[in-house]
Amino acid sequence: QVQLLESGGGVVQPGGSLRLSCAASGFTFSGYGMHWVRQTPGKGLEWVAFIRYDASNKFYADSVQGRFTISRDNSKNTLYLQMNSLRVEDTAVYYCIAFHDTRGEAYWGQGTLVTVSS
Amino acid sequence: EIVMTQSPATLSVSPGERATLSCRASQSVSSNLAWYQQKPGQAPRLLIYGASTRATDIPARFSGSGSGTEFTLTISSLQSEDFAIYYCQYYKKWPPVWTFGQGTKVEIK
Repeated sequence: QVQLLESGGGVVQPGGSLRLSCAASGFTFSGYGMHWVRQTPGKGLEWVAFIRYDASNKFYADSVQGRFTISRDNSKNTLYLQMNSLRVEDTAVYYCIAFHDTRGEAYWGQGTLVTVSS
Repeated sequence: EIVMTQSPATLSVSPGERATLSCRASQSVSSNLAWYQQKPGQAPRLLIYGASTRATDIPARFSGSGSGTEFTLTISSLQSEDFAIYYCQYYKKWPPVWTFGQGTKVEIK
């Protein structure tokens, strides 16, 4: 069955860096655009970034532009999110999602918690 | 930037009753609208896409309607497992930017 497994979350100080990974299985990873979405109790669900199936296009939310980098390795069925210059307000659960709008498919991982605190 | 506004914030419903949830877009999103259900400790689950099409394995008691700026999710007869938070989502085709509503919590009356 479809599985997305995030890892790499943890506690980091403001200004620090983390790299999240999302290991995909059970579907053709290389055929899907991939998203990162984060969730906080206060701000709800917030879209973070997107990468096209072949990595030819990447888009970011204004709140993370210039600090976060999305990438993928289709040979390893893995999605990444490099997060630099982290801020307290980046604290959230981060989800990776495989999304296909015309087929009505949205596969979400279980999420990984990132806490930015001194 | 398109803003998605859901109402009400909380809906108290008895099991077996009908629940109607609303989502309004600040400008037209055509039919690029999805609904998700989220239970505590779980990731959101896709219920509806294209404003009115049920996702795979979603029970028929869930239905979506609307286009443009006004959308509705209806749960025809609430089951115990339906008490959760529901989010609407605008998914722009290109660039594929998403915007979520703030959620409606459906609780047991």
